[in-house]
Amino acid sequence: DVKVTQSSRYLVKRTGEKVFLECVQDMDHENMFWYRQDPGLGLRLIYFSYDVKMKEKGDIPEGYSVSREKKERFSLILESASTNQTSMYLCASSSPNTQYFGPGTRLTVL
Amino acid sequence: ILNVEQSPQSLHVQEGDSTNFTCSFPSSNFYALHWYRWETAKSPEALFVMTLNGDEKKKGRISATLNTKEGYSYLYIKGSQPEDSATYLCAFRGKTVGGSQGNLIFGKGTKLSVKP
Repeated sequence: DVKVTQSSRYLVKRTGEKVFLECVQDMDHENMFWYRQDPGLGLRLIYFSYDVKMKEKGDIPEGYSVSREKKERFSLILESASTNQTSMYLCASSSPNTQYFGPGTRLTVL
Repeated sequence: ILNVEQSPQSLHVQEGDSTNFTCSFPSSNFYALHWYRWETAKSPEALFVMTLNGDEKKKGRISATLNTKEGYSYLYIKGSQPEDSATYLCAFRGKTVGGSQGNLIFGKGTKLSVKP
């Protein structure tokens, strides 16, 4: 079974803090993704990566950056957290046909 | 901007009822349509990946149909059970200009609650 893990289920941070969300997959997938999910909105793509050290902006990259130093790990970075980044963050990795999701990190920025 | 619409937004049914929901997506540059089930406090779980017009897929009591020409897919649940309570997401994958697969574009989901 594909396993995608995320470093925290719940996280509370203060405005202005630097925040790291970590995601690890164990299936040697090349493609990895970060989404956020907000009430009344669908999953929205923040960034994705199709190989080590490669990254592409998704639909809502502003205020975020990513890092992919190893194939299995894809990190989402909030350089200076703001209250409008309070959300559920989902990581996914992808075989050619299917995306496999992690359990999500619910981030609250105070 | 590509739009993926799901209806209804939420649904409350009694155990044993059969139900269905709709996903509407662009009818051009179609590559695939995905359905996911997302239970509270769990990861979204892939249900179906559908690629051909007229496709029908089935997994236990859950089935899905696909019409790429008119841009819709139906998800059916026969004899709903409380454990079917979840948010059901559909996601459209289009073709890029180069003909390869684009990223998934998700609908907002249909939240199903099944009362015992």
